[in-house]
Amino acid sequence: AQSVTQPDIHITVSEGASLELRCNYSYGATPYLFWYVQSPGQGLQLLLKYFSGDTLVQGIKGFEAEFKRSQSSFNLRKPSVHWSDAAEYFCAVGDLYNFNKFYFGSGTKLNVKP
Amino acid sequence: DAGVTQSPTHLIKTRGQQVTLRCSPKSGHDTVSWYQQALGQGPQFIFQYYEEEERQRGNFPDRFSGHQFPNYSSELNVNALLLGDSALYLCASSLGDRGPATEAFFGQGTRLTVV
Repeated sequence: AQSVTQPDIHITVSEGASLELRCNYSYGATPYLFWYVQSPGQGLQLLLKYFSGDTLVQGIKGFEAEFKRSQSSFNLRKPSVHWSDAAEYFCAVGDLYNFNKFYFGSGTKLNVKP
Repeated sequence: DAGVTQSPTHLIKTRGQQVTLRCSPKSGHDTVSWYQQALGQGPQFIFQYYEEEERQRGNFPDRFSGHQFPNYSSELNVNALLLGDSALYLCASSLGDRGPATEAFFGQGTRLTVV
């Protein structure tokens, strides 16, 4: 069965610093991978997704993620963090047979220091 | 476009009671999925409805049931509430049978507290 691991529960970075959030998946075939962001009291917003092709994908709000099959990873990056990026970030993998079903990691909560 | 709307936003119930949560999908979307997000956890898939039928179900007891109406809106019902049912319940809508390019849109959720 598919599963997603986000090893970092909390991360704190200074505003303007770079950011990398880790995500590892367990899946035998080529996965469909997603990053979502959840602000307090809000639902999930899609940042970016990977299905195939170029392993570096660009998303909204200046985020990017790189798919590395050899490491079973799909880490999220941003070169310069803004205070408004403080939120919880979820990595997810799509079900192979049901494209409308997702398996989520437990999330990484990002704090941004001024 | 109002996006995905859920009601109510917050709810407090007593153990043993029953609750109904509602979801209106994004305009044009025909597939509704429900997720439970416990505190400090990622969302867990409960079930999915497509064309008024339960298409797939996650590992949740029969106390959790749902329905999809002809206009594609959906309800999630939970009977015999337990304290452990306290969570944020998220509804996601999407277009069925569109392959991996399908994007799911999530509502803001219903925060259920069982006391």
